[in-house]
Amino acid sequence: QSALTQPASVSGSPGQSITISCTGTSSDVGGYNYVSWYQQHPGKAPKLMIYEVSNRPSGVSNRFSGSKSGNTASLTISGLQAEDEADYYCSSYTSSSTWVFGGGTKLTVL
Amino acid sequence: QITLKESGPTLVKPTQTLTLTCTFSGFSLSTSGVGVGWIRQPPGKALEWLALIYWNDDKRYSPSLKSRLTITKDTSKNQVVLTMTNMDPVDTATYYCAHLYSSPFDYWGQGTLVTVSS
Repeated sequence: QSALTQPASVSGSPGQSITISCTGTSSDVGGYNYVSWYQQHPGKAPKLMIYEVSNRPSGVSNRFSGSKSGNTASLTISGLQAEDEADYYCSSYTSSSTWVFGGGTKLTVL
Repeated sequence: QITLKESGPTLVKPTQTLTLTCTFSGFSLSTSGVGVGWIRQPPGKALEWLALIYWNDDKRYSPSLKSRLTITKDTSKNQVVLTMTNMDPVDTATYYCAHLYSSPFDYWGQGTLVTVSS
């Protein structure tokens, strides 16, 4: 299985919205609604931000939202804040009953 | 409150076998639907899923590493053990264990850095 494809970096100014894409295949992203998104600050463990494409765990800001179209999932962060600057990873369940992560996207808040 | 903590050697030599233990609390690995997985992250690089064990002892492995990995559980001790054989410097990474239930990897350990060097 190949890693899911994410842009290496995205940036935005405070208050703006940004979207991070995550492209897979029909054997992973496109085939299941088990796409998750994780936020990772330097030196910290990843934190689950979105699960099952668009669900937010308790305690996660509603500024974070997820969606999916075909083989591409997306994470949108609205009202960017300085604390959102981090690495973001997508993950998907696969047809082999395994899991796969994306290559990660570095978000810079300008 | 769910917590997980990884433990094991910080330094291993090439060709050696790595054994990592995930000790958890706040849930039971005998509860239907629960799983514990291992994910690693080389310095400055992306997350890589390695393996997962479910409450019913179903085990899943990364296809690219399957021949080198073994995951087991000890429900009575609340532990999951991952072994990786034939370690190489490219396996240098922070290794995380994480909980899975209604959503995947909703709780993570702090991670443990393993360096492979002679």
